[in-house]
Amino acid sequence: NAGVTQTPKFQVLKTGQSMTLQCAQDMNHEYMSWYRQDPGMGLRLIHYSVGAGITDQGEVPNGYNVSRSTTEDFPLRLLSAAPSQTSVYFCASSYSVRGSYEQYFGPGTRLTVT
Amino acid sequence: RKEVEQDPGPFNVPEGATVAFNCTYSNSASQSFFWYRQDCRKEPKLLMSVYSSGNEDGRFTAQLNRASQYISLLIRDSKLSDSATYLCVVNGVTGGGADGLTFGKGTHLIIQP
Repeated sequence: NAGVTQTPKFQVLKTGQSMTLQCAQDMNHEYMSWYRQDPGMGLRLIHYSVGAGITDQGEVPNGYNVSRSTTEDFPLRLLSAAPSQTSVYFCASSYSVRGSYEQYFGPGTRLTVT
Repeated sequence: RKEVEQDPGPFNVPEGATVAFNCTYSNSASQSFFWYRQDCRKEPKLLMSVYSSGNEDGRFTAQLNRASQYISLLIRDSKLSDSATYLCVVNGVTGGGADGLTFGKGTHLIIQP
């Protein structure tokens, strides 16, 4: 199993550009999520999905879109990049273990917006 | 607002020592609790779930105190490889998934030779 994979590992964008961060998992997990991690702050949830065709907003959804057409893939789209979106982005998948969800994270994408 | 608080450290500990740190949470309805480990410039990885009765995994012991609303992590016989940031994670929603998780900012642990 590859687990959770993310591409690209690094990206530099100019303000106003758009791009898609890719995320895929091969564990058949129903739940997938996107987080951003900034210095001095905990991981913050951007969007999540409870299954194919179902997505919902997390704590910090503005400026991002997601879709979930298959169980495996959960891409995150930045609509018009801003310097405030400079961050490390983690995708995660999870499944229920005795009613609680243990998260498996991808290696992350380090994004810089200039 | 759900909150999870941790002492950011750093905790500087000599190799072989025992170290413990706590995490407090504000939502008394929280249902599930976890410790994750994050190495520098890497993704968080699940270290252990925390059960009501407490649980142990090798040198690591996790405890839950619902009355005082904190969880703890104890590391015995610490190794250089234990150096990392330890994230406390709390799920305040029964059966909830990612939307119910709140991550602490982490406690930075440095094991010194």
